[in-house]
This record gives sequence, structure tokens and C-alpha cells, in this order.
Amino acid sequence: DAGVIQSPRHEVTEMGQEVTLRCKPISGHNSLFWYRQTMMRGLELLIYFNNNVPIDDSGMPEDRFSAKMPNASFSTLKIQPSEPRDSAVYFCASTQGGAEAFFGQGTRLTVV
Amino acid sequence: AQRVTQPEKLLSVFKGAPVELKCNYSYSGSPELFWYVQYSRQRLQLLLRHISRESIKGFTADLNKGETSFHLKKPFAQEEDSAMYYCALLYGQNFVFGPGTRLSVLP
Repeated sequence: DAGVIQSPRHEVTEMGQEVTLRCKPISGHNSLFWYRQTMMRGLELLIYFNNNVPIDDSGMPEDRFSAKMPNASFSTLKIQPSEPRDSAVYFCASTQGGAEAFFGQGTRLTVV
Repeated sequence: AQRVTQPEKLLSVFKGAPVELKCNYSYSGSPELFWYVQYSRQRLQLLLRHISRESIKGFTADLNKGETSFHLKKPFAQEEDSAMYYCALLYGQNFVFGPGTRLSVLP
């Protein structure tokens, strides 16, 4: 397995534009997490899914952020409209049954 | 509420010196704790988990339920240990990460 795959690796967009980040978890994993990493706030959990169902989205900053997991092999995190303060590295991670969390390479988002 | 704290944002030590990265947690159940490491511009990867009681790259961590701590230790730091270290608590299916400590090992 290639591990958790995120795309794109880098994204530069203008304020106000819609941004979609993608994640493919490891096959067979039943939990998926989206994290945001910044220098100021460290690693923040945004949302996590279990068996494709959102369990806890209390970390989603505001209504501009939304996440979906239409099937076990794909998830998206969307920001609409994007703002400069959304600039961060966004990580996706997956686990199976509460074992080790495997992280993707991250998407570095810059909103100008 | 479940919480993980790492009191030091930055820790600098000289090569060959002992290092201890502190982690404390709050959780009413039986905790399952992990240390993750993130080298420069790379993904987070598992360093060790308390249930396996193993030593990875010379690092060890002991769970102290009385002090609710899971400090990471290494007797002799190496320059390649310079990285960001995150302590994490697993409860149910959810991981809670601490704020992280940046370890800088000086030559």
C-alpha cells in the first residue's frame, strides 16, 4: 500500500476562491482524520470520520469549512471562500481499529 | 475532557546530552499513548506507543498513571533527532495530539 495519499501537495490560491483538498486513506482503515498544522497553534483536529460517518466536527473553524467522505477510499476538505488565515499545512490520517495513525504528506495551502 | 499537554515549545540540547520531552495527559479511562515525530517538512510518523514498551532510535517512554505522564527520553541525543515531537492520546477511535515540542540538538 502506498500509504495515505493527499493531493495536491501544494496549493496557492487567492482570497475568496474555493479550495478542495483530497485524501485517500489506507485500504481497510475505518477511521479518517483531518488536521491543520500551523506554527502558532500546532496540530489541530478538524474532523474525523468512522466508517465514512462524521463523528466529531467540533474542530472545524467555521461554516466556510466542510468535509465529506462519500466512500471508504476518499475524503475531501473544502474551504469556501478561502481567507489568508487559512494558510497552513493540512494533514489527513487514517487508522484501523484504534491502532497507529498513518499520516499523509500533507497539503501546504497558501491563500494570498 | 481528554487533553494532552507538552509544556515546552522548544527544547535545545547539545549532542550527546540526555533529553527528556515532557507529556502529560488528562483522561478518566485507561489511556493509550503514543509519541509521533515529524522531521523537517515530512509527514508525522509513529515513534513509539506505550503498550509495545519498545525502544526506537534510542528513545523510550514510560507511562506513569499516578502522575498522568508519558515523558519521552533518550540518554544521548544525536543531531538527527532534531525534529518536532508530538505526544498523542487515543480514546475510542479518536486521537488527541499535544501542541508539540521542537527538539533542536546542537553540535
